[in-house]
Amino acid sequence: DTGVSQNPRHKITKRGQNVTFRCDPISEHNRLYWYRQTLGQGPEFLTYFQNEAQLEKSRLLSDRFSAERPKGSFSTLEIQRTEQGDSAMYLCASSLPSFLAGSTDTQYFGPGTRLTVL
Amino acid sequence: SQQGEEDPQALSIQEGENATMNCSYKTSINNLQWYRQNSGRGLVHLILIRSNEREKHSGRLRVTLDTSKKSSSLLITASRAADTASYFCATDVTGNQFYFGTGTSLTVIP
Repeated sequence: DTGVSQNPRHKITKRGQNVTFRCDPISEHNRLYWYRQTLGQGPEFLTYFQNEAQLEKSRLLSDRFSAERPKGSFSTLEIQRTEQGDSAMYLCASSLPSFLAGSTDTQYFGPGTRLTVL
Repeated sequence: SQQGEEDPQALSIQEGENATMNCSYKTSINNLQWYRQNSGRGLVHLILIRSNEREKHSGRLRVTLDTSKKSSSLLITASRAADTASYFCATDVTGNQFYFGTGTSLTVIP
């Protein structure tokens, strides 16, 4: 399977614990995005990487959230001191840059990691 | 806050009927994309329409874009039970950030 993969698929944690999620994008994609989706809502943009550089961050990404993409391949999203409001589906997507993809910027999504904070 | 709003929030139709859902957005865009999400799963890209395009087709899908009204519509013809899913529009404003709407939940009754 050469699609975007995310691990773990489900995570249950207690409030105050730290959690880390991993995303493996499609291998030739140099753009990587993190989104958060709560029940009944559309995905909300969190952050975006081009290669290893984190180029944009949403105001939704509080200082308890940190994302890395150290070698421009896989990415991790860490949430420190989790709160019940962090319970959501965390989605990762990857894409080719427009000039390589023939002026398209289709994002390919992974299956998501569902976080439940008790 | 999210850029797009889909309408209706929920839609239930009989198999074989057409389904139309609408998306309105607030600011100028580079392109608009439609995605499908089956329950508890990731999103699947359906179709992209650029700001200088007015209509695009892909199989049973037809998308229109009216930039003067800041709105788009997605038409699914001859619906099937397998089309049951949530449908989201996503607007590309900056080239790096995509803003998703709240989604339309479509149920196709066999």
